[in-house]
Amino acid sequence: DAKTTQPTSMDCAEGRAANLPCNHSTISGNEYVYWYRQIHSQGPQYIIHGLKNNETNEMASLIITEDRKSSTLILPHATLRDTAVYYCIVRVNDYKLSFGAGTTVTVRA
Amino acid sequence: ETGVTQTPRHLVMGMTNKKSLKCEQHLGHNAMYWYKQSAKKPLELMFVYNFKEQTENNSVPSRFSPECPNSSHLFLHLHTLQPEDSALYLCASSQDGGGLAGAREQYFGPGTRLTVT
Repeated sequence: DAKTTQPTSMDCAEGRAANLPCNHSTISGNEYVYWYRQIHSQGPQYIIHGLKNNETNEMASLIITEDRKSSTLILPHATLRDTAVYYCIVRVNDYKLSFGAGTTVTVRA
Repeated sequence: ETGVTQTPRHLVMGMTNKKSLKCEQHLGHNAMYWYKQSAKKPLELMFVYNFKEQTENNSVPSRFSPECPNSSHLFLHLHTLQPEDSALYLCASSQDGGGLAGAREQYFGPGTRLTVT
């Protein structure tokens, strides 16, 4: 699976949009971009995934660049409960979720 | 609630004990997974079961023994563990664990916090 690069940490203000970047310059044509998050001491939670097109669900939006070498997860209105580690994962199939260090997002009141 | 339950939530065991972790999924999924998360380390995949058959063993020591009696239940049997095995053990499931393209999301349980003394 392609390697991903994410910032180590970021802060955002409650009620504002949080934009989380992810670089995956070695992504291949059949690899999906997945986002999960892990709130402290809980199991990871699936957020969203996409292949080429931008995606939106009740939790977030995923913007994938046209060349697919990077993506951005957008939390439209961050709340304190969105404080978590966010993982960007690129993979071709549903085995071997490979979690890196992720981005620690702290939402501040 | 993700539809994946794990018991116990916390476990303290000595190095000579034998214990088992249990995972149950109520989602009708075909694949189940065990992950290990040590302190300040990324999650590590341990085992994958697809339709009750083990399809992945990520070089896990034999003191960890998985069992999958059916697609809804997954166990991790523990014996003669070491203190460095203390970690959060997470179970997950997904719809179609065939290693196929067109990936499915995984649903995680809350984990079992294991402490080996």
